[in-house]
Amino acid sequence: NAGVMQNPRHLVRRRGQEARLRCSPVKGHSHVYWYRQLPEEGLKFMVYLQKENIIDESGMPKERFSAEFPKEGPSILRIQQVVRGDSAAYFCASSQTNTGELFFGEGSRLTVL
Amino acid sequence: QKEVEQNSGPLSVPEGAIASLNCTYSDRGSQSFFWYRQYSGKSPELIMFIYSNGDKEDGRFTAQLNKASQYVSLLIRDSQPSDSATYLCAVLRSNDYKLSFGAGTTVTVRA
Repeated sequence: NAGVMQNPRHLVRRRGQEARLRCSPVKGHSHVYWYRQLPEEGLKFMVYLQKENIIDESGMPKERFSAEFPKEGPSILRIQQVVRGDSAAYFCASSQTNTGELFFGEGSRLTVL
Repeated sequence: QKEVEQNSGPLSVPEGAIASLNCTYSDRGSQSFFWYRQYSGKSPELIMFIYSNGDKEDGRFTAQLNKASQYVSLLIRDSQPSDSATYLCAVLRSNDYKLSFGAGTTVTVRA
C-alpha cells in the first residue's frame, strides 16, 4: 500500500508566480490535512478537507491560499502570487478518521526567490 | 499561551541512557495525545498515542499522561543513535478535533 504521496518534492518559484502542491492520501483515507513547517518551528495547521468539502480552513491565510480535495484526483494546495515568506515545507497528512493518527507525506519544499 | 509547549532542546544523552521529553498543553478538554518523530529533512511519523492518565509502554518508549496537570511526557529507554531526531508532541483539540503540534524537542544520542 502506498503511503501519502506528495509532489513536487521541491518547487522553486519567483515572487508573483503560482505554486501548486499535490497530495494523494493513503488509499481509503478520506480525511486530508495540510500543515506548514518553517525551519526550527513546529507544524502549523492550515486546512482540513474531506472529499469535495473544506471542513476547517482556519489556519490558512484568506488571501492567495486555497485548497481543494475533489471527488476524483489528489488534494491541491494552491498559493497564488507567492512571496518570500511563503518559503517553507508543506506537509500533507491523511487519516481514516479524525482521531489524530495521521500519516504524513514526505512534504513539498517551496522556495520563493 | 501556546496550545502545546515543548522544550526545544537540544537534548543530548549518551547511548544507553534514558531520554526524557516533556510537553504541556493549554486545552483542558483535550482527550488524545500523540508523539511524532521527525528525522531531519523527513516527514513526521507517529510513534505513540495515549488517551488515559498513567503510563503506556511500547518497546523502548513510554508515554505518560497527567490530565490534571495538563502534562504529557515521552521516555526513551536504552537510547540509540538512531533515536536522534526531533520529537513532536501533538494534542487533539476537544472543540474541533484539530491536531495541534508543539515546536518539537531535538534529541541527540551520543555514541
